Amino acid sequence: KAGVTQTPRYLIKTRGQQVTLSCSPISGHRSVSWYQQTPGQGLQFLFEYFSETQRNKGNFPGRFSGRQFSNSRSEMNVSTLELGDSALYLCASSLGDSPTDTQYFGPGTRLTVL
Amino acid sequence: AQSVTQLDSQVPVFEEAPVELRCNYSSSVSVYLFWYVQYPNQGLQLLLKYLSGSTLVKGINGFEAEFNKSQTSFHLRKPSVHISDTAEYFCAVIKRGQNFVFGPGTRLSVLP
Repeated sequence: KAGVTQTPRYLIKTRGQQVTLSCSPISGHRSVSWYQQTPGQGLQFLFEYFSETQRNKGNFPGRFSGRQFSNSRSEMNVSTLELGDSALYLCASSLGDSPTDTQYFGPGTRLTVL
Repeated sequence: AQSVTQLDSQVPVFEEAPVELRCNYSSSVSVYLFWYVQYPNQGLQLLLKYLSGSTLVKGINGFEAEFNKSQTSFHLRKPSVHISDTAEYFCAVIKRGQNFVFGPGTRLSVLP
């Protein structure tokens, strides 16, 4: 079974631009979560989607948004990029929305904002 | 809100020596505990998880962890490390209805 895939793997943008990151979960998984990883703040939860509905949201500004499609694929969007948005963005999928379900992580998208 | 503490940001250890990576969390009420490993330029991989039952949990790659409710700890151990265990290790906690909270991570360096 293929793992979680994220595209693109690397991205360079400039301040003020917007970006869309994509995540394809493991086949059959219905829950997708997004995390931001930075050296200073560590791993921080962005949001979680289950069956196209946002179930939970972390403490991030409204510039960060996401969605999930009927095939469980998910996208996250960051508008008006700031230098501090430079980070590794990780996507994780799980079978259901139970906290005991194992989350399987993708390799991440490394975003650099210049 | 939940918080997770990993007291050691870096742990150097010689190959074949035992290692313990420490994790403490803020509340033991109905929490589920996890250890993840992250190799360079990769995502996170689950090592083990505690949901309920036996407090000693065995995971992949020879790792194990012990849930201690009274000390709100979930320390990760391995009796003999290999060079390939060099990576960053994250402890995480989740409560039903809430999101995952990760610790700051511990960088394990295994020296030859």
